[in-house]
Amino acid sequence: DTGVSQNPRHKITKRGQNVTFRCDPISEHNRLYWYRQTLGQGPEFLTYFQNEAQLEKSRLLSDRFSAERPKGSFSTLEIQRTEQGDSAMYLCASSVDTEAFFGQGTRLTVV
Amino acid sequence: QQQVKQSPQSLIVQKGGISIINCAYENTAFDYFPWYQQFPGKGPALLIAIRPDVSEKKEGRFTISFNKSAKQFSLHIMDSQPGDSATYFCAASKGRTSYDKVIFGPGTSLSVIP
Repeated sequence: DTGVSQNPRHKITKRGQNVTFRCDPISEHNRLYWYRQTLGQGPEFLTYFQNEAQLEKSRLLSDRFSAERPKGSFSTLEIQRTEQGDSAMYLCASSVDTEAFFGQGTRLTVV
Repeated sequence: QQQVKQSPQSLIVQKGGISIINCAYENTAFDYFPWYQQFPGKGPALLIAIRPDVSEKKEGRFTISFNKSAKQFSLHIMDSQPGDSATYFCAASKGRTSYDKVIFGPGTSLSVIP
């Protein structure tokens, strides 16, 4: 499979716990994005990496959120002290130019 | 501030009919306008995209019409099929020549009924 891979597909966690999601982009794609999508809404930009450098972070990305792309390949998104409002689909996308390819997302439910 | 507006929120079309979704943007620096299709439980998939130097782009049953002066663009789905039932997002980016994030509209839920 040469598409963008995200794991896990689903995550249920208790409020206050930490969670980490992983994204494996398409090989050779130097750009990687994280988006958040809530029910009935379009994806909202969270952060962007070019290779291993995090070049932009949205105001949506509070101090509880951190993203890394240590070797310019896979990326992780960690949410600390989860809140119910964090419940959403977290989407990862990668690209080499204007065309972004999305993964299937990680559905987070905070109970 | 919603940079990309989209209407209608939902759309019901009979099989064989034409589905039309309209979008408007505010930032004149946008130079790339993709449309994404999303099925339940899946990530968005690029359907078709247009740049502002052309007024229309057609790929199979899907056509984008672009009006630069009005800052509007639309998606037409000809001969709509039940398999087209999905959520459609218009989007915009300044990423033609360098990096930029894609800004999505709020989406249109399309149902094509037999």
